[in-house]
Formats: sequence, C-alpha cells, structure tokens
Amino acid sequence: DQQVKQNSPSLSVQEGRISILNCDYTNSMFDYFLWYKKYPAEGPTFLISISSIKDKNEDGRFTVFLNKSAKHLSLHIVPSQPGDSAVYFCAASADNAGNMLTFGGGTRLMVKP
Amino acid sequence: DVKVTQSSRYLVKRTGEKVFLECVQDMDHENMFWYRQDPGLGLRLIYFSYDVKMKEKGDIPEGYSVSREKKERFSLILESASTNQTSMYLCASSFGGPLHFGNGTRLTVT
Repeated sequence: DQQVKQNSPSLSVQEGRISILNCDYTNSMFDYFLWYKKYPAEGPTFLISISSIKDKNEDGRFTVFLNKSAKHLSLHIVPSQPGDSAVYFCAASADNAGNMLTFGGGTRLMVKP
Repeated sequence: DVKVTQSSRYLVKRTGEKVFLECVQDMDHENMFWYRQDPGLGLRLIYFSYDVKMKEKGDIPEGYSVSREKKERFSLILESASTNQTSMYLCASSFGGPLHFGNGTRLTVT
C-alpha cells in the first residue's frame, strides 16, 4: 500500500500559466516533505522542501503548500516554462531530515510553448 | 557540487547471473542509499548505509545485498538476477539533508 500517492500521472500546461502538482499521504508520522524533479537520463534533483511546522514554503517560481489535516501537499509553479517539463516526485520523511524518504509515483509535467 | 557517480548507465544481464552495481560519491557523505525506480511506483528504497561496513534494509531488500567497505563507495549486489529485477537503479548520498542522486543504471535482465 503506497503511503505517498500522486494521483495524476501526467499534466499538460501552457507556458506562462500555473502548474499545480498534487500529492497525498497516509502516514501521520511524516513530518518533512520534499519535491524532486527528474529529467530523462538524469537522476532526480532536489527542488523544494517543507517541514510540518509550516504550511507554505516559497523559492522563486516554486511554492509548496502543506495541509496537514487533509494529509495533502501541492507544488505550484508560476509561471511555468518549457524547461520545467520533467517528472516530479513528491517524497515524505518521518525523521525530520529527509534521509529516509518514501516517494510517490511521480507526475510527468509537460509545459507547451 | 556533490557528485554521485554510477559506474554503468546501461547493463544487460542474464537470469541467474550475479550483478554488481557500483556507486561512488565525492563529498564525504555519511549516508548512502540504493533505490529502484519503476513506472507508477516511484522510487523504492532497497538498502541504505549510515557508515562504513554498516547497512540497513529498506522497503524491498529481497534478492539484493550491499557492501560498503569505504565511505565513498556503496555497491548493490544482485545475488542471482531475475527478470523482475529489470529496473532503473538509483544511488544517492546525503549528510543530513536532501539526497543527491546519481544518473542511474538501467538494468535489463533477460
């Protein structure tokens, strides 16, 4: 049973618009959440994280929102650019350091010019 | 920049062969990890190590073993490769923060 789920396998967005990627989790012990981005033929790279003591974290065009009561987080990319086209993985950790990660299945984002 | 290097990008092996996947990191990180990535399942943790000669099972250790004789090197061993071990294998390292991944080894077992 997957503890971290990304229910949308793919998402297509027009350049300049907002991309919203969603992630749900079931384990209430998770206290640290991360998003990774993966291009083909490369390893995942860290994008942004959020601790459970916060409900929002922003880094440039990327914002992660956490709703603990709903066990839901989302990644917003504004404005979306063609270079953002990649697979995005949501990950969660119960060790508050991001070492032991449980990953979601990934969402493939395509940003059309 | 942290560099995690996996020795092979592509590997094709036969069923029953013993397979070694090698990973080296250059940042003196304590922690090293092996994941496999399969479509729709994301990344699943096979084994990890917090120190030299130390290893812990992850979520899917069956059919695998690991070796960490030196701090910078973490090897994944498939004792007797099977077709259900065909996958993308990703090594990662960390020092108390986000994981840094290598570019992966795509293993095909025929």
